[in-house]
Amino acid sequence: SQTIHQWPATLVQPVGSPLSLECTVEGTSNPNLYWYRQAAGRGLQLLFYSVGIGQISSEVPQNLSASRPQDRQFILSSKKLLLSDSGFYLCAWSVLDSLGYTFGSGTRLTVV
Amino acid sequence: DQQVKQNSPSLSVQEGRISILNCDYTNSMFDYFLWYKKYPAEGPTFLISISSIKDKNEDGRFTVFLNKSAKHLSLHIVPSQPGDSAVYFCAAKDNYGQNFVFGPGTRLSVLP
Repeated sequence: SQTIHQWPATLVQPVGSPLSLECTVEGTSNPNLYWYRQAAGRGLQLLFYSVGIGQISSEVPQNLSASRPQDRQFILSSKKLLLSDSGFYLCAWSVLDSLGYTFGSGTRLTVV
Repeated sequence: DQQVKQNSPSLSVQEGRISILNCDYTNSMFDYFLWYKKYPAEGPTFLISISSIKDKNEDGRFTVFLNKSAKHLSLHIVPSQPGDSAVYFCAAKDNYGQNFVFGPGTRLSVLP
């Protein structure tokens, strides 16, 4: 069966520090991968999506970047975190022509 | 401009009564809709879907209604249970789009 792993679950980082959040998917090949952010009191905002290795599309300009070094691995990064980067980050996957996403358990990032 | 709107940020309902969560969209090309349920500090989980060829889809206590002319869909939960307390997201996609567009969510509280 397909599973999605996302870590860490919580993270407290100082302003200006780097960030690396990792997401891996098991049990499927060539998934579409997504990074979403849920800011406090707001909905799910799509940050990045990837349809294949090395293929990254950014939905909003921001302080973050994403990479897909392997088929089932998706990484969200920042060189220098801002206070406004605080939020709940969710990784998700889907396969072509499927009608929905499966989300990971999320990472609560607090930038202090 | 938000393409998917959930104008009620929160809703409180008595246990056993009906919960009605509403969602409006602006893009007439949207033809597939999902509802997700999200508990705090967890990823969203898929609840129910509906395509534009139908105006109703039912799954146990959950029913989704679609009114294409009004660009409106609603999720009915009957009877509501305390475990239904969560944030509910509406999401929509058109036949050509790569990604779903999420609404901002409605927090449902079912009171015992």
